[in-house]
Amino acid sequence: KAGVTQTPRYLIKTRGQQVTLSCSPISGHRSVSWYQQTPGQGLQFLFEYFSETQRNKGNFPGRFSGRQFSNSRSEMNVSTLELGDSALYLCASSVEPFSGQGQREQYFGPGTRLTVT
Amino acid sequence: AQKVTQAQTEISVVEKEDVTLDCVYETRDTTYYLFWYKQPPSGELVFLIRRNSFDEQNEISGRYSWNFQKSTSSFNFTITASQVVDSAVYFCALKDSNYQLIWGAGTKLIIKP
Repeated sequence: KAGVTQTPRYLIKTRGQQVTLSCSPISGHRSVSWYQQTPGQGLQFLFEYFSETQRNKGNFPGRFSGRQFSNSRSEMNVSTLELGDSALYLCASSVEPFSGQGQREQYFGPGTRLTVT
Repeated sequence: AQKVTQAQTEISVVEKEDVTLDCVYETRDTTYYLFWYKQPPSGELVFLIRRNSFDEQNEISGRYSWNFQKSTSSFNFTITASQVVDSAVYFCALKDSNYQLIWGAGTKLIIKP
């Protein structure tokens, strides 16, 4: 079974631009979560999507948005990029919503390394 | 407020030594879940273990073992007879009633041959 895939793996953008990152979950997984990892703030939860609906959202400004398609693939978008948005963006998938009761596991992709100059 | 503390920023040991990574958590909830993940240089987070708050049994999986103690709010991870391939950053995380993962800062483990 193929794992979680993220594209692109590396990206360089300029301040003020916008960017779209893509995540394809493991086949059969309907939940996708996004995380930001930076040296200063560490790992932080961005949001989770399940069945095309946002289920949970972390404490990030509205410049960060996402969506999920009917095939469970997800995209996240960052508008008006700032230098501080430089980070590794990780996507994780799970069968059921990870943001819920019960014991669930999520599986991570390799991440997209975004550099904002 | 929820919090996960991994006080050890970096640990360096020689291969075959045992090493323990500490994790201390804070939560007001009685139902919560604790996790350990490994992040090798490739960047992909690898799930190692999940433990719920009602299960205080220690767990052993090969060279890995975990010690969960609610009395001290700790969930420590021990690698026995470490190997170079164990070199990675290890994260402890907490999921409680907010249903979001709260991550520790991570411990970078360096295993020298």
